[in-house]
Amino acid sequence: EAQVTQNPRYLITVTGKKLTVTCSQNMNHEYMSWYRQDPGLGLRQIYYSMNVEVTDKGDVPEGYKVSRKEKRNFPLILESPSPNQTSLYFCASSLWPNTEAFFGQGTRLTVV
Amino acid sequence: GENVEQHPSTLSVQEGDSAVIKCTYSDSASNYFPWYKQELGKRPQLIIDIRSNVGEKKDQRIAVTLNKTAKHFSLHITETQPEDSAVYFCAASRKGSGGYNKLIFGAGTRLAVHP
Repeated sequence: EAQVTQNPRYLITVTGKKLTVTCSQNMNHEYMSWYRQDPGLGLRQIYYSMNVEVTDKGDVPEGYKVSRKEKRNFPLILESPSPNQTSLYFCASSLWPNTEAFFGQGTRLTVV
Repeated sequence: GENVEQHPSTLSVQEGDSAVIKCTYSDSASNYFPWYKQELGKRPQLIIDIRSNVGEKKDQRIAVTLNKTAKHFSLHITETQPEDSAVYFCAASRKGSGGYNKLIFGAGTRLAVHP
């Protein structure tokens, strides 16, 4: 089954404790993105990746890192999480930019 | 940078009525405009998209229109049903600093269809 898988689904952590949210797709898609969803703000792009080792900042990259060492995986790293990073996070993949994006199930992160 | 404004933020209709959601964008170079539906507690899913070389596209009860001159595009849902209740997001493409296209999303419209 074609899918985008994120883990974990829910995470509560403390300020400053490094964490990684994993994202994996099995559709051989070139393009992957991370978004955060906050009430009244829609989906805002954090980082995106066009291919292995090719990443670029989205609109809200501060406080986040990504890597794309393999085509299927695109982890999101928070080196020192802060409470303003409490949000719902979605990973998405598409064959190319400007084609249908398939979203993961979402990760609800709470930083206390 | 690109701004996408979406209206209304909430919309309530009776079953069987039509619903219209409007978005405006600022970057005249935008050339791809998808619409996503997000049901409560679920992930966003694409329902329809349109490219800048087309003025209108239909898929059963859903249609999207694009006015490039005015830089706005709209989602039209006819004969609404309770299962259409969800949050709808519009988006417009924009070139990132790395030269690749990325999507800018509107803030969303919460549509409630009442039986």
